Amino acid sequence: AQSVTQLDSQVPVFEEAPVELRCNYSSSVSVYLFWYVQYPNQGLQLLLKYLSGSTLVKGINGFEAEFNKSQTSFHLRKPSVHISDTAEYFCAAGGYQKVTFGTGTKLQVIP
Amino acid sequence: KAGVTQTPRYLIKTRGQQVTLSCSPISGHRSVSWYQQTPGQGLQFLFEYFSETQRNKGNFPGRFSGRQFSNSRSEMNVSTLELGDSALYLCASRRGEGRGDTQYFGPGTRLTVL
Repeated sequence: AQSVTQLDSQVPVFEEAPVELRCNYSSSVSVYLFWYVQYPNQGLQLLLKYLSGSTLVKGINGFEAEFNKSQTSFHLRKPSVHISDTAEYFCAAGGYQKVTFGTGTKLQVIP
Repeated sequence: KAGVTQTPRYLIKTRGQQVTLSCSPISGHRSVSWYQQTPGQGLQFLFEYFSETQRNKGNFPGRFSGRQFSNSRSEMNVSTLELGDSALYLCASRRGEGRGDTQYFGPGTRLTVL
């Protein structure tokens, strides 16, 4: 069975500073990994996904994530955050049928 | 291509009533999943339908049910509403046929139970 752990429930960061949101997964089979963002009172929007190939995945809004198989991690990074990045971020792992979500990390960008 | 749509966007009900939420997936998507999102429990999987059949089910009581129609549109029903059912209900669609399929989410239905 898959599980996804987001180690930080909240991450405060100053505007224009870099940020890393951590995600670890466990699975006995190959997984496909996703990061979603949710702005207040909205649904989830796909930021990026890893299916295979290059372990560094670039997404929208300047975000990128690195798949690390040995550490079973898929951390999300952005070199310089903006106020508009304030939102909740969800990591997810999917197999053939089921997608499992982490508990979310709230990113608060401080002006 | 139109995204996932959910209706209604907001609902207010009282305890004991029942409610039906609707979801129209992206054209060509045959899988529809439903999630409940609350501040305390986060994002919890309710169930997934694929080609009119329930394919996966989360750990929710039988008061929560769903169905999918031949055009892939899906409805979710909650009977005998409880205060704790107040939540944002999200619907997500995907093709459902391949590995690594991406889910696309609708804007959600905000249900308030008084």
